[in-house]
Amino acid sequence: DQQVKQNSPSLSVQEGRISILNCDYTNSMFDYFLWYKKYPAEGPTFLISISSIKDKNEDGRFTVFLNKSAKHLSLHIVPSQPGDSAVYFCAAGVSGNTGKLIFGQGTTLQVKP
Amino acid sequence: GAVVSQHPSRVICKSGTSVKIECRSLDFQATTMFWYRQFPKQSLMLMATSNEGSKATYEQGVEKDKFLINHASLTLSTLTVTSAHPEDSSFYICSATPLRGLFNTGELFFGEGSRLTVL
Repeated sequence: DQQVKQNSPSLSVQEGRISILNCDYTNSMFDYFLWYKKYPAEGPTFLISISSIKDKNEDGRFTVFLNKSAKHLSLHIVPSQPGDSAVYFCAAGVSGNTGKLIFGQGTTLQVKP
Repeated sequence: GAVVSQHPSRVICKSGTSVKIECRSLDFQATTMFWYRQFPKQSLMLMATSNEGSKATYEQGVEKDKFLINHASLTLSTLTVTSAHPEDSSFYICSATPLRGLFNTGELFFGEGSRLTVL
């Protein structure tokens, strides 16, 4: 039972354009969502998060949107840079559950110069 | 940001041997650490929650006698893969949170990961 799904295994965009990575979830108990960036043979690094009381959170070039009714969130990267090329994981959790997260399968983003 | 360190980063062992992986929080105390496993091109799968001073909580389908977890101090958790077999070959990642109680920021800190290859 995949509670967090990233249906696009890969995405390729041109430098300077917008990258949009999508994530869907099924468990309505999730009230906290995060995006992580991961390079091969390294641990994930935190990018941005959003709680269920918000529908948007912005940090520099990264914006996360949450649509609770659709159980969908997305990560927007504008403008995309070649250094953004990595695997992006969305993750979901329940606040008060001391950090237990469920991860999606990941989307490999390639930003072409 | 906070630092979580894993050791070793790579280990190759023979089938039937046991391997220990360490996870340390370098600049904060972690009452809770998490162990994940990642197969190639797949998601990070939570294996177990490691609680300082108590038994680990394992996810469904994870053999607790196979994957021994010890969280002896607030800065160290260890994962021991016992009697390793080739199918245990994977990328193991730990994470830690400096928070106690309400998980109000959602930010976990991950180690660099440990690549285990069982021959």
